[in-house]
Amino acid sequence: GAGVSQSPSNKVTEKGKDVELRCDPISGHTALYWYRQSLGQGLEFLIYFQGNSAPDKSGLPSDRFSAERTGGSVSTLTIQRTQQEDSAVYLCASSLASGGAVADTQYFGPGTRLTVL
Amino acid sequence: GQQLNQSPQSMFIQEGEDVSMNCTSSSIFNTWLWYKQDPGEGPVLLIALYKAGELTSNGRLTAQFGITRKDSFLNISASIPSDVGIYFCAGRTIQGAQKLVFGQGTRLTINP
Repeated sequence: GAGVSQSPSNKVTEKGKDVELRCDPISGHTALYWYRQSLGQGLEFLIYFQGNSAPDKSGLPSDRFSAERTGGSVSTLTIQRTQQEDSAVYLCASSLASGGAVADTQYFGPGTRLTVL
Repeated sequence: GQQLNQSPQSMFIQEGEDVSMNCTSSSIFNTWLWYKQDPGEGPVLLIALYKAGELTSNGRLTAQFGITRKDSFLNISASIPSDVGIYFCAGRTIQGAQKLVFGQGTRLTINP
């Protein structure tokens, strides 16, 4: 497929467990973004990658959240010691470039729905 | 975190009616975007606006970038059943060029 893919599509975990969410961006896209969408809300920015580096981590809600990107492609968002308030849909997006121009159009994946019991 | 104020939160209309929704912000934005999200899917870009005063159409959709750079609206003409979904405005501030700030969404329901 040519779009952004995410796995798993659904994840149910117990409070206190660690989870890893994966994002495969569109091939050739240098920028990758993670957002969180709580029920009935808009999307909340978490972190942005340009290549393998993360110039903007300002949206990560706590030090339990971390993300990495390897090979300028796949990214993993890790949540340690999950809490019930972490329950949300985690969306990944990628763009050809970054900087606010037309080439910066962000294409979103279908998201991972995380439920923390 | 920073958010856009989007209204209305929900709309219930008859097929064929026109729809209007808007977003406002206390900050200046240099890009305004409108997305549509279907259940279980990620948002899909409908219209992008890059200049104050810009008016852009995409089929039955029309959006404008407000002159003050603090607001935008989206109009849908002659609504059809496939227009059902949640519409989000999003923007970029001058300071945060990469990340998008989203509105809370407008849920559109169309009565047959």
